[in-house]
Amino acid sequence: QVQLQESGPGLVKPSETLSLTCTVSGGSVSPYFWSWIRQPPGKGLEWIGFIYYSGNINYNPSLKSRVTMSVDTSKNQFSLKLSSVTAADTAVYYCARVKYGSGGAVDIWGRGTMVTVSS
Amino acid sequence: DIQMTQSPSSVSASVGERVTITCRASQGINDYLAWFQQKPGKAPKSLIYAASSLQSGVPSKFSGSGSGTDFTLTISSLQPEDFAIYYCQQYNTYPVTFGQGTKVQIK
Repeated sequence: QVQLQESGPGLVKPSETLSLTCTVSGGSVSPYFWSWIRQPPGKGLEWIGFIYYSGNINYNPSLKSRVTMSVDTSKNQFSLKLSSVTAADTAVYYCARVKYGSGGAVDIWGRGTMVTVSS
Repeated sequence: DIQMTQSPSSVSASVGERVTITCRASQGINDYLAWFQQKPGKAPKSLIYAASSLQSGVPSKFSGSGSGTDFTLTISSLQPEDFAIYYCQQYNTYPVTFGQGTKVQIK
């Protein structure tokens, strides 16, 4: 059974870069699309972007200038970097798998990791 | 961006009742519509994709319908474990967008 686990610092200072990794266990990063989604405390869900195992990427335009996603097939991981963070980036960050052949529907979610932006 | 509007924002229902949640897209999205369930402090759980297809392992009491701009999620007989927030999501057009959520509460 495929499981996803997010990892990274829970506290990031304003103006610095948030870095998270999602480790895929019980399956392979190929040949899937992968996604990052976030949820500010008490609010709804926001899509950050998709990345294909081969590296093709699509970012949310609202974050595009600050986001970098990557895949490491050798480690069965994919990653998120968000630069120049502010308090508005405080959220639970989820990694997720896109169902094969669905065109973009998420089928598996990680448990999520809370990231707080504060000095 | 495509706006996804869910109604109602919250609904109170009793165990055993049938509940229907509506999701409307600001423009046509074919059937590229998913539904998720989220319980407090937990990650969302995927219920439905392609408007009406159940994700693996999801019980048949959940059903989805619709195409174009108007969609529904129906829970046929509400059970205690179904009290949660439900979100719709369109993935027809980038950026992917979510509805604001519908909270299903105990009456």
